[in-house]
Amino acid sequence: NAGVTQTPKFQVLKTGQSMTLQCAQDMNHNSMYWYRQDPGMGLRLIYYSASEGTTDKGEVPNGYNVSRLNKREFSLRLESAAPSQTSVYFCASSEAGQGGGNIQYFGAGTRLSVL
Amino acid sequence: KNEVEQSPQNLTAQEGEFITINCSYSVGISALHWLQQHPGGGIVSLFMLSSGKKKHGRLIATINIQEKHSSLHITASHPRDSAVYICAVRSSGTYKYIFGTGTRLKVLA
Repeated sequence: NAGVTQTPKFQVLKTGQSMTLQCAQDMNHNSMYWYRQDPGMGLRLIYYSASEGTTDKGEVPNGYNVSRLNKREFSLRLESAAPSQTSVYFCASSEAGQGGGNIQYFGAGTRLSVL
Repeated sequence: KNEVEQSPQNLTAQEGEFITINCSYSVGISALHWLQQHPGGGIVSLFMLSSGKKKHGRLIATINIQEKHSSLHITASHPRDSAVYICAVRSSGTYKYIFGTGTRLKVLA
């Protein structure tokens, strides 16, 4: 049971390049999330998907797009990378929430540098 | 002011000490989570609380909903407990989580 798998683990981009971060979970979770983590700040939500076929903006969505390809996969795309997008990106998943919270399971993270 | 505040930001302890990390929040929540981020970067969930107290091994988490406050306690701390501990709340009626900035704990042998 792999849990949440993110690829790649590391990436260096030049300003203006595009890339897609992949995330897949094998726990049959409905909800999936993309976060970024920057020094001195808490994890910030970029986008989330409450269930297959739905996506919603989080706190910092500008410069990103997402696709909930199916129940397992939730990808994050940077269309034109900027140095401000240098960060560590985490994907997470949880069971669908009905009021009370559910434990989130995190991927190992992707360290992205934009030069 | 952040919606989730943790204290202290940094903590150094000697092996065996009792440790307390605090979390205060200002929004209505459906649950509060304590997470551990290892030096290598991986994040694991330690506890999910909506009321009362939970215990797992040497870790104890408590929450006071009326005071909007939670504490994470580590008894008999060990160097392997060195990590960043993150408090996160799930905002009521949403799927969104709000994270504190974390408490960096170092336990010295």
